[in-house]
Amino acid sequence: SQQGEEDPQALSIQEGENATMNCSYKTSINNLQWYRQNSGRGLVHLILIRSNEREKHSGRLRVTLDTSKKSSSLLITASRAADTASYFCATDFRGSNYKLTFGKGTLLTVNP
Amino acid sequence: EPEVTQTPSHQVTQMGQEVILRCVPISNHLYFYWYRQILGQKVEFLVSFYNNEISEKSEIFDDQFSVERPDGSNFTLKIRSTKLEDSAMYFCASKWTGGGEQYFGPGTRLTVT
Repeated sequence: SQQGEEDPQALSIQEGENATMNCSYKTSINNLQWYRQNSGRGLVHLILIRSNEREKHSGRLRVTLDTSKKSSSLLITASRAADTASYFCATDFRGSNYKLTFGKGTLLTVNP
Repeated sequence: EPEVTQTPSHQVTQMGQEVILRCVPISNHLYFYWYRQILGQKVEFLVSFYNNEISEKSEIFDDQFSVERPDGSNFTLKIRSTKLEDSAMYFCASKWTGGGEQYFGPGTRLTVT
């Protein structure tokens, strides 16, 4: 079964620095989505990238997708303390009724 | 901006009791899901619902679980006889098309004592 796995598991940076998180998965996908979760709270949708796309931008977020390596990266530029959260990638594929399979997440801490 | 809502935000129940978790998906969405997240673990798929029926369920979604969309707006998850291991955050999600973004509610924290 497909599975998203993020690395690193934890990342600590200073405000203003860029943060890069990676995600790998095992099987062919339809879409890959990135979510943010503040401690104990809900999942906030950040960005969706389709399997036929290679890069996507949204504000300070940049997502890349390499289907040949079955991997994706999320770059947050000019990080802020408010970006402190866990970040998850989630994949779906057509044959699964588009259910999402989540990785374990990266805990990002942005120090002021 | 439309959003998925869930009630209650926190539910405490005793082992063996029935609980119903409620969700109101985004109004024009067609695909509905329940997920759960045990504290400190990854988010896990429970069940998907489309065209007024279950389209897929996971191994976790055994006979103790059921879902309903009783009135065209609400989407409920029932656990008939809760166990300690059912303690988790339960998320409802919805999407409009198969290939689109899946939007999550804020979750219901279920604590079984």
